[in-house]
Amino acid sequence: GNSVTQMEGPVTLSEEAFLTINCTYTATGYPSLFWYVQYPGEGLQLLLKATKADDKGSNKGFEATYRKETTSFHLEKGSVQVSDSAVYFCALIPYTNAGKSTFGDGTTLTVKP
Amino acid sequence: DGGITQSPKYLFRKEGQNVTLSCEQNLNHDAMYWYRQDPGQGLRLIYYSQIVNDFQKGDIAEGYSVSREKKESFPLTVTSAQKNPTAFYLCASSPSPQREGPRTGELFFGEGSRLTVL
Repeated sequence: GNSVTQMEGPVTLSEEAFLTINCTYTATGYPSLFWYVQYPGEGLQLLLKATKADDKGSNKGFEATYRKETTSFHLEKGSVQVSDSAVYFCALIPYTNAGKSTFGDGTTLTVKP
Repeated sequence: DGGITQSPKYLFRKEGQNVTLSCEQNLNHDAMYWYRQDPGQGLRLIYYSQIVNDFQKGDIAEGYSVSREKKESFPLTVTSAQKNPTAFYLCASSPSPQREGPRTGELFFGEGSRLTVL
């Protein structure tokens, strides 16, 4: 079956530090890949997505590149802010788009001033 | 504004009681989903519906029930058969896969409902 593995957290960084959150996946065919962000007490919201190999998704300074050869979709940001503190989820939806997303366990990021 | 509304935000239940969580969307999305989130874990799919009057079990459907009588509404009932119901419940919707085609599937989430069993 499909699966998503995220680096374990929590991750604590100082403001303006470089962020990487690793995500690897297992799926047949060519899934679409997503990063969602969850702020405390709220639902998830889409941060960025990529739908085919070598696509780069980007939003609010965050980037992730769909790497089929390594089955990865690592999230990066060059300079984090305190407001980036949240839980980040990597997810995939299979090519057939049966409507069933698979989520990683989430990585908690805390950014200190 | 378009979006998904979940209610109540917080709910307390005594053991042996059924409770129903509301989820309403005005995004004109065909597909709706219910997820359960436990601390330190990812989201687990309870039920999903891709069209009115039809729904399918997800990975952890036991002890839950749903209905989809209207496109806008997808209520979830947590029954007394659910052994460990204390959790954060998230409702989501997405456009129809048939209309968007493959390689899409972005989910739009509500703010969540936190259920505590006393």
